[in-house]
Amino acid sequence: NAGVTQTPKFQVLKTGQSMTLQCAQDMNHNSMYWYRQDPGMGLRLIYYSASEGTTDKGEVPNGYNVSRLNKREFSLRLESAAPSQTSVYFCASSTGQGRIGTEAFFGQGTRLTVV
Amino acid sequence: AQSVTQLGSHVSVSEGALVLLRCNYSSSVPPYLFWYVQYPNQGLQLLLKYTSAATLVKGINGFEAEFKKSETSFHLTKPSAHMSDAAEYFCAVSDGSGGYQKVTFGTGTKLQVIP
Repeated sequence: NAGVTQTPKFQVLKTGQSMTLQCAQDMNHNSMYWYRQDPGMGLRLIYYSASEGTTDKGEVPNGYNVSRLNKREFSLRLESAAPSQTSVYFCASSTGQGRIGTEAFFGQGTRLTVV
Repeated sequence: AQSVTQLGSHVSVSEGALVLLRCNYSSSVPPYLFWYVQYPNQGLQLLLKYTSAATLVKGINGFEAEFKKSETSFHLTKPSAHMSDAAEYFCAVSDGSGGYQKVTFGTGTKLQVIP
């Protein structure tokens, strides 16, 4: 019963390097989300995919791109990492059908440090 | 626009004492309200949710929260704290009209339980 799986769990990047964070869910959920978590700021939505084939910007999309590869997988790419992108990144999924009332399931997070 | 305010970024209680974590919300429509818990190095996990049914909502691990429209509050309580309750707790609000892209998370309250 894996739920939402994120890889990698930890990563250190140099400024200007690129990387892709991977996320996969096995719950047949329609909607998937990428958040960043910073101390004192809670969770902020970076991008989301309401359904397979669609992606939209969230609150803090600058410096990121996403790909909804299929219904299971939703990746987040940093093209040119900056120290301001040092954060903990969470992927989440939900059924996305009808009115909200169901929970979101979160992965365990990726701790990214950009030096 | 909706918002949620969690009063107190850090709360300390003694083991066996009452846990009270405060959350006030702002929403132009009847809200959906959530409490999530994040244990160290883990993703978020749903504790409980209010979706316009009973105003007193019971969740996992002995937690409950009461929706008070007149006070625009949704405080989280537990009668007797356990050491295992040490975690960060997030309140969240939604207008219920869509997926989690419409959910606003609070900045979190870290609960410390003192033996």
